[in-house]
Amino acid sequence: DTGVSQDPRHKITKRGQNVTFRCDPISEHNRLYWYRQTLGQGPEFLTYFQNEAQLEKSRLLSDRFSAERPKGSFSTLEIQRTEQGDSAMYLCASSLWSSGGPVTQYFGPGTRLLVL
Amino acid sequence: AQSVTQLDSHVSVSEGTPVLLRCNYSSSYSPSLFWYVQHPNKGLQLLLKYTSAATLVKGINGFEAEFKKSETSFHLTKPSAHMSDAAEYFCVVSVETGANNLFFGTGTRLTVIP
Repeated sequence: DTGVSQDPRHKITKRGQNVTFRCDPISEHNRLYWYRQTLGQGPEFLTYFQNEAQLEKSRLLSDRFSAERPKGSFSTLEIQRTEQGDSAMYLCASSLWSSGGPVTQYFGPGTRLLVL
Repeated sequence: AQSVTQLDSHVSVSEGTPVLLRCNYSSSYSPSLFWYVQHPNKGLQLLLKYTSAATLVKGINGFEAEFKKSETSFHLTKPSAHMSDAAEYFCVVSVETGANNLFFGTGTRLTVIP
């Protein structure tokens, strides 16, 4: 078990540029979640996948945000036309979900985005 | 709807003294409750979770929490603080339907004074 990994760990970009973040979940986990954490706040849920299906995306912050998990393994989160307000830590988590109820989500180290 | 309220944004204790981090929750369904810890420049780590079994839950590093339905509380405690406990602590609620995504409180920063 190598844990959840995220790449890059830090990203600095200029306003208006597109950015893409990658998340590699724990290998046997079928669910993958994205969260955003701004300074002084707790993480905020954005979207999640079960295998390759994106089952909830209404919490994505705007239509500039999109996520994919094409083969049910790694996932990408893209932000188009970045704005300074997008500066935050983007966290990925994974879990092995079953019908038995909530299970532990394991978090990656996050990608810290700074938009200049 | 579900939410958590962490009653203290910052708690400061002396090393070796007890720790109490307070959390109240609100949930329309039977909740699962968690405490996560976040050390600087490290990922969120699960301390403990409550999922309708025993109301007193023991976690890692000597932490425990008690689920009190009548008070809608899930306070985190530790008998004796250690310097390595200094971190940000999040109380979290999840509901047993749908996405099971987590709803985080705003966090409590624990400072441990030598």
